[in-house]
Amino acid sequence: DQQVKQNSPSLSVQEGRISILNCDYTNSMFDYFLWYKKYPAEGPTFLISISSIKDKNEDGRFTVFLNKSAKHLSLHIVPSQPGDSAVYFCAASYSGAGSYQLTFGKGTKLSVIP
Amino acid sequence: EAQVTQNPRYLITVTGKKLTVTCSQNMNHEYMSWYRQDPGLGLRQIYYSMNVEVTDKGDVPEGYKVSRKEKRNFPLILESPSPNQTSLYFCASSSLTGVVEKLFFGSGTQLSVL
Repeated sequence: DQQVKQNSPSLSVQEGRISILNCDYTNSMFDYFLWYKKYPAEGPTFLISISSIKDKNEDGRFTVFLNKSAKHLSLHIVPSQPGDSAVYFCAASYSGAGSYQLTFGKGTKLSVIP
Repeated sequence: EAQVTQNPRYLITVTGKKLTVTCSQNMNHEYMSWYRQDPGLGLRQIYYSMNVEVTDKGDVPEGYKVSRKEKRNFPLILESPSPNQTSLYFCASSSLTGVVEKLFFGSGTQLSVL
């Protein structure tokens, strides 16, 4: 039972255009969402996060949108750059007592074409 | 430099031969965790630890053991490895600030069990 779903295994985008990576979740108790970026031969690195009390969080070229009613979040990268080519993991957690675990999606491989 | 260090980076072993993958962090983080990454399955949590001498199972704990005798170290032990444990393993750590915000990951250990 996959609680965090990234339904697009891969995405190709032209340099300079917008990249939109999507993530859906099923557990309504999740209240914190994160995106991680992973290059080959490296560990994932934190990119951006959003609390369920917000619907948008922005950090430079990266913006995460949260639609709680649809249980959907998306990561927008504008403008996309070749260095953004990586695997992006969506993750979720909830702050219930004793619960600090992150549940990850399967990842989306983004390729930004120069 | 703040980091999570895993060793070894690559390991080839045979079925049934006990092995340990070490993990150390220098950020004084309370929370540490082990994940495995498999094609099409994303990152799945094996075990986690909230602090010294406190460990708990993640989503896929079968066949693994962990210990947390010191705050900085969180080794992953495979008592009798099997081929289905061939995977890319990541150790991660985080401070506890209400929710697990930013996990810091090691560079990974690629394990092959023949």
